[in-house]
Amino acid sequence: DAGVIQSPRHEVTEMGQEVTLRCKPISGHNSLFWYRQTMMRGLELLIYFNNNVPIDDSGMPEDRFSAKMPNASFSTLKIQPSEPRDSAVYFCASSKGGLSFNQPQHFGDGTRLSIL
Amino acid sequence: GQNIDQPTEMTATEGAIVQINCTYQTSGFNGLFWYQQHAGEAPTFLSYNVLDGLEEKGRFSSFLSRSKGYSYLLLKELQMKDSASYLCAAHNSGYSTLTFGKGTMLLVSP
Repeated sequence: DAGVIQSPRHEVTEMGQEVTLRCKPISGHNSLFWYRQTMMRGLELLIYFNNNVPIDDSGMPEDRFSAKMPNASFSTLKIQPSEPRDSAVYFCASSKGGLSFNQPQHFGDGTRLSIL
Repeated sequence: GQNIDQPTEMTATEGAIVQINCTYQTSGFNGLFWYQQHAGEAPTFLSYNVLDGLEEKGRFSSFLSRSKGYSYLLLKELQMKDSASYLCAAHNSGYSTLTFGKGTMLLVSP
């Protein structure tokens, strides 16, 4: 079975450029999560979608970050303009269930983002 | 607010037993997840506790005390491949999201 698929695996770009990260959740999972992981702050939730609808975006750092989920099999996280402090590993995860679920989240391999 | 505390790192020897502790202070607590993350890889699910007590799964067990806001992950018969970061995560009932601790880096030596 295919797991959560993220692309690209690595991205190196200069500050000020637009960055788009992509995620395909596991088929049949209706919850999708975007996380950012750094040494200093650990794994932080950025935004959570349920049935393609954003439920909690309180973790999105600022207006430079935006996320969309146009359908059940695709989501994007966009940073525009990017800054060096955005350098991190960005994970997408998906799980079954609705707002009261307790199903484990399955993580993609992540995108290592470096902003120069 | 949400607060998850776990030790930064631990060391142990092959074949030994190690206990990784986690304390949490969250609102609307639903349960406690443990994830394993090898360097450069994604976190993978290990266990979920919603009731007080011990859940055993092979060499790994996880314990929860809701009244004390405390959990631990117990790893038995340690193997070199168990060297990884172990993440404790509180399941919050409000939006059904997870709040992760910063992880405990476990190094298993021969």
